[in-house]
Order: sequence, then C-alpha cells, then structure tokens
Amino acid sequence: SQKIEQNSEALNIQEGKTATLTCNYTNYSPAYLQWYRQDPGRGPVFLLLIRENEKEKRKERLKVTFDTTLKQSLFHITASQPADSATYLCAPSPPANQAGTALIFGKGTTLSVSS
Amino acid sequence: DAGITQSPRHKVTETGTPVTLRCHQTENHRYMYWYRQDPGHGLRLIHYSYGVKDTDKGEVSDGYSVSRSKTEDFLLTLESATSSQTSVYFCAISSNQGADGYTFGSGTRLTVV
Repeated sequence: SQKIEQNSEALNIQEGKTATLTCNYTNYSPAYLQWYRQDPGRGPVFLLLIRENEKEKRKERLKVTFDTTLKQSLFHITASQPADSATYLCAPSPPANQAGTALIFGKGTTLSVSS
Repeated sequence: DAGITQSPRHKVTETGTPVTLRCHQTENHRYMYWYRQDPGHGLRLIHYSYGVKDTDKGEVSDGYSVSRSKTEDFLLTLESATSSQTSVYFCAISSNQGADGYTFGSGTRLTVV
C-alpha cells in the first residue's frame, strides 16, 4: 500500500531563513501532490497543488517542487516569519486504481520560526 | 471555515452511547469526507461520499457509519462510542475529487469517557 513520510515531526529555524520540508511517498506515482497548513485547534488549509508534469510551483514566498524520480516533494518557505509557524501536511493524490477515493495525508511537520 | 460547518464543536460522551456528528456545507460540492486526527497518526480517512446516498469506507471505518441524504449534509455516527474513538474529527469538501484542494471544517473534539 502507499506510504507517505514527512521528513521530521519538528523543524526549528530563525526568522528570515528558508524552511525546507520534505514529503516522500512510496509504492505508486501520484498524479498530483498538495500541501496544507494547519494551525493549532483549526482544520487544515489548502496551500498549493503541483502536478506530476510540473517541476516547480510558486506562490508568494512558497515554493513546491515535485521529483517523480525520487518520489519526493519539497516545500520551501523563503524569508520565514514567526507567523509561518504551523504544521504543514503533504497529501499525494490517490493511486490511479483508487481514483475517486480520497487524499491520504502525511503526519505533518511542525515548523517553528523564532524571531 | 466559510462554506462548511461542523457541529458540535466539542462533545463529551459516555462509553457505549451512540453519537452523531454533523457536517454542513453551503458550497454544493459533490464530495465530502470524514477524517479523524490523533497524535502520532495524523489525519486518517473514516468514510467519504461522492454523491447523495453514495458513500464508501476509508482506512479506519470500523465502528463508524455515515449517511448523506442531501448534498449539504454528511453525518458521521459512532454506533457505540469507545474510548479509542476519542479524537478530533474533521469534515472536508471538494468539488472535483480534491484536484483543487479540500476545504476543511473547524473540527469536532470528541471525548469518550
């Protein structure tokens, strides 16, 4: 069955630095991959989607890459701010033979940005 | 969150009692989902719906049932609550199987004592 791993449970960085979060998946090739942000006590919020034929996607200070050979997506936050502190979840699309089912989420990486 | 509401926000119930959580949307989206979130496990899919009266099981469906009698409401029922079902429950909606992202509700924190 498919497996999703996010590099670490917690990442601590200083304000102004670039945060890099990793999402690895195994046993299949998703058609797209999504990233979400979750604040304590709140539901996840959709941030970005990248498709298998896209190498990179940007939105303001966010950048996502998708390497289908390595089966990995990287999520970058440049010029990080304390307000970026949250848990970030990756969610590859379901396998083709399960199309129409639902997203499977990684366990998340909690980012803390200190001033 | 705009367009999707969950009720109740918090509930404490006793072991063995039935519990129903409600998810209501005003977006007219076809797809609705129930997840539970627990420390160390992340979000896990319980059930999902791809239309009125069309539902299917997810990864952790044992002990749960769902119903969707109209587009806007998706109900999750714990038939006989157990302590292992203490969790935060999230509902999500999407318009095209999630290809444009899911919109999540604010969650229901359920405690079974």
